[in-house]
Amino acid sequence: DAGITQSPRHKVTETGTPVTLRCHQTENHRYMYWYRQDPGHGLRLIHYSYGVKDTDKGEVSDGYSVSRSKTEDFLLTLESATSSQTSVYFCAGNSGFSDEQYFGPGTRLTVT
Amino acid sequence: TQLLEQSPQFLSIQEGENLTVYCNSSSVFSSLQWYRQEPGEGPVLLVTVVTGGEVKKLKRLTFQFGDARKDSSLHITAAQPGDTGLYLCAGARNNAGNMLTFGGGTRLMVKP
Repeated sequence: DAGITQSPRHKVTETGTPVTLRCHQTENHRYMYWYRQDPGHGLRLIHYSYGVKDTDKGEVSDGYSVSRSKTEDFLLTLESATSSQTSVYFCAGNSGFSDEQYFGPGTRLTVT
Repeated sequence: TQLLEQSPQFLSIQEGENLTVYCNSSSVFSSLQWYRQEPGEGPVLLVTVVTGGEVKKLKRLTFQFGDARKDSSLHITAAQPGDTGLYLCAGARNNAGNMLTFGGGTRLMVKP
């Protein structure tokens, strides 16, 4: 029973196209996060949410936007994909009662 | 500049050997988590340490939080091929909301 799922798991898209990645959680996490993971850079925070319709920027937010219309879903949108956004994207959740984050399985995005 | 420095970045050892991974910072953390990530999957939480000087054991894995809560170590006894993966440390700070600072990771390979 996966608490956090991501879709799609793999995507190839062309430069300039919009892309939306979906994160769905069944754990009632209050906080949700989007990270990207690249060789040599580790996990970098893109955006996070601290409640429905409450979001804020992370350290690498340029070119990305997010939305959270309900507790369960956190969407990451690349308005106009660029090759530098080729990466593996992870969603994570946190209950708000402790520091631990729980991660989804990731989405591998390739921008050609 | 990463707030959390992990060392070594890469480690290749034979089955049965012992190893230690370090996570160091000049910042004080309210808690520190260790995660393990396998290829194609998201990071999975192994342990959280909260108190300075705390030692936690998880089978063959021993985690220690430094007295000043600025550093941590992960020691694996008699490593097995199943221990292969990317080990990540992540620190939480009191003034950083529910966000974590991640180290760059240690990639461990245990050869049979």
